[in-house]
Amino acid sequence: SAVISQKPSRDICQRGTSLTIQCQVDSQVTMMFWYRQQPGQSLTLIATANQGSEATYESGFVIDKFPISRPNLTFSTLTVSNMSPEDSSIYLCSVILLLRPTDTQYFGPGTRLTVL
Amino acid sequence: DAKTTQPPSMDCAEGRAANLPCNHSTISGNEYVYWYRQIHSQGPQYIIHGLKNNETNEMASLIITEDRKSSTLILPHATLRDTAVYYCIVREGSWGKLQFGAGTQVVVTP
Repeated sequence: SAVISQKPSRDICQRGTSLTIQCQVDSQVTMMFWYRQQPGQSLTLIATANQGSEATYESGFVIDKFPISRPNLTFSTLTVSNMSPEDSSIYLCSVILLLRPTDTQYFGPGTRLTVL
Repeated sequence: DAKTTQPPSMDCAEGRAANLPCNHSTISGNEYVYWYRQIHSQGPQYIIHGLKNNETNEMASLIITEDRKSSTLILPHATLRDTAVYYCIVREGSWGKLQFGAGTQVVVTP
């Protein structure tokens, strides 16, 4: 398996501001994903973070709102821009390991975001 | 859209087997069945996956019907710590994206 850490673990932010969430993995990974889990809901895939190129976004999510970077094989950031209370969610990073590509996706512990 | 259908909730007695059903009638030949669970306030945890054969690991067993249109996750001896939301997911190949449905809330009671 892999150890996935996310920073911050939680934050409370004001409307209109932005927050950048970091995801660090202790092993090299092939694919990294970002998910959102709104209160009481299931997980929704936001985007696939591609190394060295623009992320691939799912329907309903756009780069201006959720810019993503992935500078190397073990690190990615997700920014939630111009936040509103509707952005209050848990944001989760998920990875597929380089050395075990037929294996499962592993999930980080999540970042709990509250927007006031 | 999620490709699976699960009951919204199930109760299970501690020490008994928990059988969690999942329907995936539109599954295609290269799609795997994955099971994850999410204990409150934690990231989802991988349980097991399979293509067409039944699978078993230290956590659970996965029984897939011959036509692959449904499956059952079996927790052989449920404990209180198995209380969680269980997600059945159909995933394309080994690289496909995991798309989560609503899942089944399983409550294990003493």
